[in-house]
Amino acid sequence: QSVLTQPPSVSAAPGQKVTISCSGGSSNIGTNYVLWFQQLPGTAPKLLIYDNDKRPSGIPDRFSGSKSGTSATLGITGLQTGDEADYYCGTWDSSLSVGVFGGGTKLTVL
Amino acid sequence: QVQLVQSGAEVKKPGASVKVSCKVSEYTFTSYNYMHWVRQAPGQGLEWVGAISPSAGNTAYAQKFQGRVTVTRDTSTSTVYMELSSLRSEDTAVYYCGTDLTVWGQGTLVTVSS
Repeated sequence: QSVLTQPPSVSAAPGQKVTISCSGGSSNIGTNYVLWFQQLPGTAPKLLIYDNDKRPSGIPDRFSGSKSGTSATLGITGLQTGDEADYYCGTWDSSLSVGVFGGGTKLTVL
Repeated sequence: QVQLVQSGAEVKKPGASVKVSCKVSEYTFTSYNYMHWVRQAPGQGLEWVGAISPSAGNTAYAQKFQGRVTVTRDTSTSTVYMELSSLRSEDTAVYYCGTDLTVWGQGTLVTVSS
């Protein structure tokens, strides 16, 4: 049972847009910055979004992040087959003093 | 671009301990807030294990691993270590290190099997 809640799967057609939600609480998302990661099969997670809505260099602007209250959202536009991966949100929980992740969302590009 | 290089795969028997290392490729090792350890069991999601402040050496652990995990660092070699004891089959996973969870190592497979 993950502290942060994500939908297990989402799907959309190539070229379309998809959003992935991440729901938490006041001591984690409500207080701290949210990170988003992409994990392709057999590889280490890769940072997509940090500080809720910032993209590291090299991450295309098709990827965006937002946060409102105790929830965060990852948006991906112009979907490509190469975007098929597992996506995770993560943050710090100030009450528990631990890192926390969502259970992950599998993106399928139909 | 910073790189994190982890030690190689390990096979351990139940009840044994394992120590995984993670070397950071640059001299600004102590500038990171925390070096984290995260694990991923086969077919499962990411699970936070613990973290250490490279400069002060302060540590934080997931309650699930309290008493079994120890994270240390060696500032002279810019290396972080994670030791997990009393291993059981459920600890079979890929263990990743990460600088403030932004840059990750390649992962180390730890297999616990009799």
